[in-house]
Amino acid sequence: NAGVTQTPKFRVLKTGQSMTLLCAQDMNHEYMYWYRQDPGMGLRLIHYSVGEGTTAKGEVPDGYNVSRLKKQNFLLGLESAAPSQTSVYFCASSPNLPGQGRHEQYFGPGTRLTVT
Amino acid sequence: QQQVKQSPQSLIVQKGGISIINCAYENTAFDYFPWYQQFPGKGPALLIAIRPDVSEKKEGRFTISFNKSAKQFSLHIMDSQPGDSATYFCAARGSARQLTFGSGTQLTVLP
Repeated sequence: NAGVTQTPKFRVLKTGQSMTLLCAQDMNHEYMYWYRQDPGMGLRLIHYSVGEGTTAKGEVPDGYNVSRLKKQNFLLGLESAAPSQTSVYFCASSPNLPGQGRHEQYFGPGTRLTVT
Repeated sequence: QQQVKQSPQSLIVQKGGISIINCAYENTAFDYFPWYQQFPGKGPALLIAIRPDVSEKKEGRFTISFNKSAKQFSLHIMDSQPGDSATYFCAARGSARQLTFGSGTQLTVLP
């Protein structure tokens, strides 16, 4: 199994350009998440999905859109990139386990995005 | 608004020493507290986790201590090794199984 994969690994955009980041998981997980990681701020949740066809806003959703048309894929879109969106983006997935059991999020390798 | 506060920001210890990272939270609805380890250029990976009805969880050299009344929890790494050098994040799980992460601690273990 490949686990969680992200495409592309690196990207440089100019202000105002658009792009889509792709996340794919082969573990049949229900939940998927998009985070951004900035120095000194940890990981902040952008959007998440609790199942195919569903999406919800996280802590920092402004400027981003997402779609989950297939269970294994979660797309993150930037319609008009801004320098403030320069960051490392991580996708994660997790199974829908009942109760308060071990709830592990499996992370992808990240996409480093620079907006000039 | 940071709901999970983590300290210190960076930590340097000698090989064989004990590394201690602390976290504090505000939201009493959090029901699961994991620690993630991240190596440069990689995504975070779950290291160890604890439920709030348990005061301590140990897995090998890694121990979580949890103080529910103080709303604090900490990670202890015993016999720290150079291979433990990484960034560590505490987190807390809330509604819809969302994780709120601390700001991270960069640990360096000197040989």
